[in-house]
Amino acid sequence: QSVLTQPPSVSAAPGQKVTISCSGSNSNIRNNYVSWYQQSPGTAPKLLIYENNRRPSDIPDRFSGSKSGTSATLAITGLQTGDEADYYCATWHSTLSTGGVFGGGTKLTVL
Amino acid sequence: QVQLQESGPGLVKPSQTLSLTCTVSGGPISGVGYYWSWIRQPPGKGLEWIGYIYKSGSTYYNPSLKSRISTSLDTSKNQFSLQLSSVTDADTAVYYCARDLGGWLSFDNWGQGILVTVSS
Repeated sequence: QSVLTQPPSVSAAPGQKVTISCSGSNSNIRNNYVSWYQQSPGTAPKLLIYENNRRPSDIPDRFSGSKSGTSATLAITGLQTGDEADYYCATWHSTLSTGGVFGGGTKLTVL
Repeated sequence: QVQLQESGPGLVKPSQTLSLTCTVSGGPISGVGYYWSWIRQPPGKGLEWIGYIYKSGSTYYNPSLKSRISTSLDTSKNQFSLQLSSVTDADTAVYYCARDLGGWLSFDNWGQGILVTVSS
């Protein structure tokens, strides 16, 4: 069980907006950058957001990230059927056992 | 564009050592600010960070795997490697190598992944 909590699934209709939450703690999200990944079946994850809210140049601005306190959020607007995938948040976890951690993942269904 | 490719055995016996190599093309692994990383994903499950190695040779590993992990860099071949000892069924997973921008788990380039099954 991950120290980062994501909802197992979310769904929305094409064209709508969806948000995916990533809940952590003072030991991880509050003091570290958060990244977000999209993974379609059988493929490697793809970086969507890094350093909380920065997008790689090839990622459309329909994808945005934010962070507040011990939680982070990925927002996707103008949903497309191609957005249906698993989404993961990631950050550092800084305690006696420091290391990188991923959230458990969220399955996005575009209805 | 940097590309990464994992290679190694797809089947490892229990208690043996899993060894994988990641070959990087399109840029040197000696580049500043890039952390060369391993991530794995058991079938049907989520992602797990294994660790990274920097061009200086410094490393950082998942505490739960630290006692069994070894990584190395070969700048002459532009490769980095992972060794995981004393494997069990729980180590069966798709193993990915990836490039981390700045060591903040910002993996901007990934290999395609290699399925490693632990079985006798």
